[in-house]
Amino acid sequence: QVRLVESGGGVVRPGRSLRLSCAASGFSFDNYGMHWIRQAPGKGLEWVAVIWLDGKNKFYAEALKGRFIISRDSSKSMVYLQMNSLRVEDTAVYYCARDPRGGNSGEFDPWGQGTLVTVSS
Amino acid sequence: QSVLTQPPSVSAAPRQKVTISCSGSNSNIGNNYVSWYQQFPGTAPKLLIYDNNKRPSGIPDRFSGSKSGTSATLGITGLQTGDEADYFCAAWDASLSAVAFGGGTKLTVL
Repeated sequence: QVRLVESGGGVVRPGRSLRLSCAASGFSFDNYGMHWIRQAPGKGLEWVAVIWLDGKNKFYAEALKGRFIISRDSSKSMVYLQMNSLRVEDTAVYYCARDPRGGNSGEFDPWGQGTLVTVSS
Repeated sequence: QSVLTQPPSVSAAPRQKVTISCSGSNSNIGNNYVSWYQQFPGTAPKLLIYDNNKRPSGIPDRFSGSKSGTSATLGITGLQTGDEADYFCAAWDASLSAVAFGGGTKLTVL
C-alpha cells in the first residue's frame, strides 16, 4: 500500500543542522510532488516546502528560505529536508506528504506518521 | 497568523449538523482548489475533502465541501462523538508560490 515513513528527527542544539528523510513506497514516486509540513506542539499546521515531480521546481515558506533545503532521490524514492541554523522555534513534528497534482496544490494524501524535531540547548 | 481564516472552535450536539468556514483571497481559494483535513490528537492529518467538494474513498458522505468565491465550507452532518477532532483547510497560493493553511478548527460534539 501507499506509505510514507519519516526519520531523522531528534534533539539538536540551536544553530546546528539536521537532515530529515522520508521513504516512499507503494506508488510511482516520479509521478508526484512531495511536501514537508510541520506542526509545533499544540499549534496548527505550517507548510514548509515542496519539490515538484520534476525535481527541479522547489518552493519554500518565506520565513524558512535560505535555511531549509528540500531534495528528492528518485532512485531511492526518498525525499529529504536539510535544516540548517536551527532555532528553538523550529521545534515541531515534521510530516512528509504526497501531492497528487505534482506539487502546486494543497492536496496531501497520504501523510507520513511524522518525526519530532526538538531544538533545545 | 494564518493566510486562511478559520474559526478556532465550533460545537454542536450529536446527530446535528455543523459547518466550518475557511476564508481566503483570490490568490488562494479564489483561483485554486481547497482541501480539508481531519486530525485527531497525536496522529497525522487525514485528507477529508479535495478539489473543493470531492471525498476520497472511505470518507463517509456525512462530510461535504463547498466553495464560493474566496471562501470554502466544510459540512458535517449526523455528528458523532468520534468526529471530535481538529479540522484544517488548505489551498495553493499562487502569489506566494506556497501552500496556505487555515489555523484549524476544533470541533466539539456536546
